[in-house]
Amino acid sequence: IAGITQAPTSQILAAGRRMTLRCTQDMRHNAMYWYRQDLGLGLRLIHYSNTAGTTGKGEVPDGYSVSRANTDDFPLTLASAVPSQTSVYFCASSARVTDTDTQYFGPGTRLTVL
Amino acid sequence: GQNIDQPTEMTATEGAIVQINCTYQTSGFNGLFWYQQHAGEAPTFLSYNVLDGLEEKGRFSSFLSRSKGYSYLLLKELQMKDSASYLCAVMDSNYQLIWGAGTKLIIKP
Repeated sequence: IAGITQAPTSQILAAGRRMTLRCTQDMRHNAMYWYRQDLGLGLRLIHYSNTAGTTGKGEVPDGYSVSRANTDDFPLTLASAVPSQTSVYFCASSARVTDTDTQYFGPGTRLTVL
Repeated sequence: GQNIDQPTEMTATEGAIVQINCTYQTSGFNGLFWYQQHAGEAPTFLSYNVLDGLEEKGRFSSFLSRSKGYSYLLLKELQMKDSASYLCAVMDSNYQLIWGAGTKLIIKP
């Protein structure tokens, strides 16, 4: 693989269910991010990780959790999904936290919570 | 609060030039990014400005005025494949990107 992969591509989920969105990168980037994108709104940061073993909260962290056990993987978990979490979720990475070059994005996961 | 403003939608003609504006108010400034996003796809990097002035990359140019909190993306010789959303984002003092809602560009033949 090359770049960032996300799974699943799309998912329909019943409210109250637990769901983990997967994200894997093979660029050996230190920093990883989870965003949600909703119509009419900009990308909003959910959680981020500056390096393996550390995580931080973004703008909209409530209802989500993340872990960063190694450099490559950064899963996002919805402990008990609610309809307002219906969105498109993008995982991204950059070489360093202070890397002002670019963030690279995965293809996204389209999640519908009913 | 932090705010990024850009027009919701613009229409232009194939072969023409279009300018997409972005104004921002953020806590600190570590550069301004433009990304392109085709419908149903991920954002992809277009340009980065941290100093005032114009950066040119082929048909695309990006301008920044830090004193005015203003940037624009200029697209020349428009092609149908340029139909996409263009996202403006500012890196704040915490090195986090603050994103505008995006400008949907419609290209007509």
